Amino acid sequence: GDSVTQTEGPVTLSEGTSLTVNCSYETKQYPTLFWYVQYPGEGPQLLFKVPKANEKGSNRGFEATYNKEATSFHLQKASVQESDSAVYYCALSSSGSWQLIFGSGTQLTVMP
Amino acid sequence: AQTIHQWPVAEIKAVGSPLSLGCTIKGKSSPNLYWYWQATGGTLQQLFYSITVGQVESVVQLNLSASRPKDDQFILSTEKLLLSHSGFYLCAWSLERGDTEVFFGKGTRLTVV
Repeated sequence: GDSVTQTEGPVTLSEGTSLTVNCSYETKQYPTLFWYVQYPGEGPQLLFKVPKANEKGSNRGFEATYNKEATSFHLQKASVQESDSAVYYCALSSSGSWQLIFGSGTQLTVMP
Repeated sequence: AQTIHQWPVAEIKAVGSPLSLGCTIKGKSSPNLYWYWQATGGTLQQLFYSITVGQVESVVQLNLSASRPKDDQFILSTEKLLLSHSGFYLCAWSLERGDTEVFFGKGTRLTVV
């Protein structure tokens, strides 16, 4: 079945440093890929989605490119802020599917 | 604007006791509804989805059941709780399937003792 694998956490960075969270996926379908962010005590919220291969999604300084050949969707940010501290989830949903498959999540803590 | 309200916010229940969690979505007609479960420190696992009133599909078996008695209401329940049911339960909705955004509620924290 479909699956998503992402960087094991936790990840601790200093403000102003760069972030990469690796995400790889497996599916036999044509998925849409998502990055969700979850703050403590809340439900996840969409950071951005990319429905097509070789396209890039971005929001709030975060970005990721849908790499179909490498089956990857790595999350990057050039300069993290303390307010970026949260859990980040990579997810996929295949065309026609009712399921949204999440990775294990990566806890990010940014120190001032 | 659409809102999603989950109740209760938190519950502490004994093993073997019954459970009923609920959510209501306002501001959207005929949404697709979902229940997700998240173990402490774990990933999100989809449990059920519903595309219309009275119709619910199970994704994983966790000795839980779900019902959709109204277009805007989704209920998660069990007659007998297990310790393994502890975690964070999230109700969610979407307008389409596949490549659409899923909107999550604030969740219910369940502790089974």
